[in-house]
Amino acid sequence: DAKTTQPNSMESNEEEPVHLPCNHSTISGTDYIHWYRQLPSQGPEYVIHGLTSNVNNRMASLAIAEDRKSSTLILHRATLRDAAVYYCIRTSLYGGSQGNLIFGKGTKLSVKP
Amino acid sequence: DSGVTQTPKHLITATGQRVTLRCSPRSGDLSVYWYQQSLDQGLQFLIQYYNGEERAKGNILERFSAQQFPDLHSELNLSSLELGDSALYFCASSEVGTSGRDTQYFGPGTRLTVL
Repeated sequence: DAKTTQPNSMESNEEEPVHLPCNHSTISGTDYIHWYRQLPSQGPEYVIHGLTSNVNNRMASLAIAEDRKSSTLILHRATLRDAAVYYCIRTSLYGGSQGNLIFGKGTKLSVKP
Repeated sequence: DSGVTQTPKHLITATGQRVTLRCSPRSGDLSVYWYQQSLDQGLQFLIQYYNGEERAKGNILERFSAQQFPDLHSELNLSSLELGDSALYFCASSEVGTSGRDTQYFGPGTRLTVL
């Protein structure tokens, strides 16, 4: 049970921003939100993670709703290289079996030139 | 390049056979994770080792086993192979691995084909 809900697919144009949504309505106060992506024929790649407040790194931004029941991964300017399956994953702060990455089906992002 | 290495890249074998997949974590990482990715099941967590000890278990079959050695590299052993075991097997590592806060770094995978 991935415990998150994402759209199956999204399309974007190159050099435009992309907002990838994720619902996690049953999230607990100590659950992190992670985003990984998997490019074709490669292993998953870490993108970003957060707990309560918005986060930025060189790859993307993560906006977490105030009630934490949803979040949005923001790619500021999509490139062709960003075409991948994006996974939104909850993990428990306390680790164990709930601290591991449980992958759902993710969102397949297509980027058009 | 994540710094995680996996060998071999490809493996073709027959049903009933046994194979060993090898993973070297990033330098300094104490935890190793194994995942299986097949077309029908998606990416599934199999097992985690932390500093040589099994830490968490996922959907790992009894025919599969893993271990982590003192130098922290890990091996995944798959025995009595069936056609349905054909999949991509990924290894990942993390610095610690005792918290859901940890970031995992994935290797390029081993593609196993069982004929």
